[in-house]
Amino acid sequence: AQTVTQSQPEMSVQEAETVTLSCTYDTSENNYYLFWYKQPPSRQMILVIRQEAYKQQNATENRFSVNFQKAAKSFSLKISDSQLGDTAMYFCAFRGRNTDKLIFGTGTRLQVFP
Amino acid sequence: EAQVTQNPRYLITVTGKKLTVTCSQNMNHEYMSWYRQDPGLGLRQIYYSMNVEVTDKGDVPEGYKVSRKEKRNFPLILESPSPNQTSLYFCASSKLAGDSGANVLTFGAGSRLTVL
Repeated sequence: AQTVTQSQPEMSVQEAETVTLSCTYDTSENNYYLFWYKQPPSRQMILVIRQEAYKQQNATENRFSVNFQKAAKSFSLKISDSQLGDTAMYFCAFRGRNTDKLIFGTGTRLQVFP
Repeated sequence: EAQVTQNPRYLITVTGKKLTVTCSQNMNHEYMSWYRQDPGLGLRQIYYSMNVEVTDKGDVPEGYKVSRKEKRNFPLILESPSPNQTSLYFCASSKLAGDSGANVLTFGAGSRLTVL
């Protein structure tokens, strides 16, 4: 069975600095999708970034980028130039290539300080 | 606006009093799913549906029921709520994975349920 592990329950960063959130996963599949979701205090689940396992290039979305290491089954999220609005819970998630179920990690609570 | 709508957003109830959390999507998605979110546990799937009249258990289905009589609606039913069902609930929908795999789950705003 696939699992997703986020080993950092909480992290903090100063505004304008860079922070990296870690995520590892376990799967026997070769093709799959990985996601990072942001959950601000409003509780809304917001898709931050998505990576397709068959693409070697790391995905980027503005200040958000990932470091996807397929062999190591690692999928970290880097937030550059952190902003106060980045304060949120961040969830890493996995989905198999031909399945619909999203498997989540336990989340990392990020606090951005002024 | 494409969205998933859940109601109620907040509910406090007592043990044993049946309740239903409604979920509706306007994107003509085949796949719908319910998750519960608990501190330290992330989001765990309760039930899912791949189309009308097709539902199946997720990882934590005990104490819950669902139905899918129409494509747009996927209500979550707690027949006899207990305090361990106090949680934050999310409904989500997407197109089926199929061959493209390009589907992305769209989430509702969440429903905070407290069972006393």
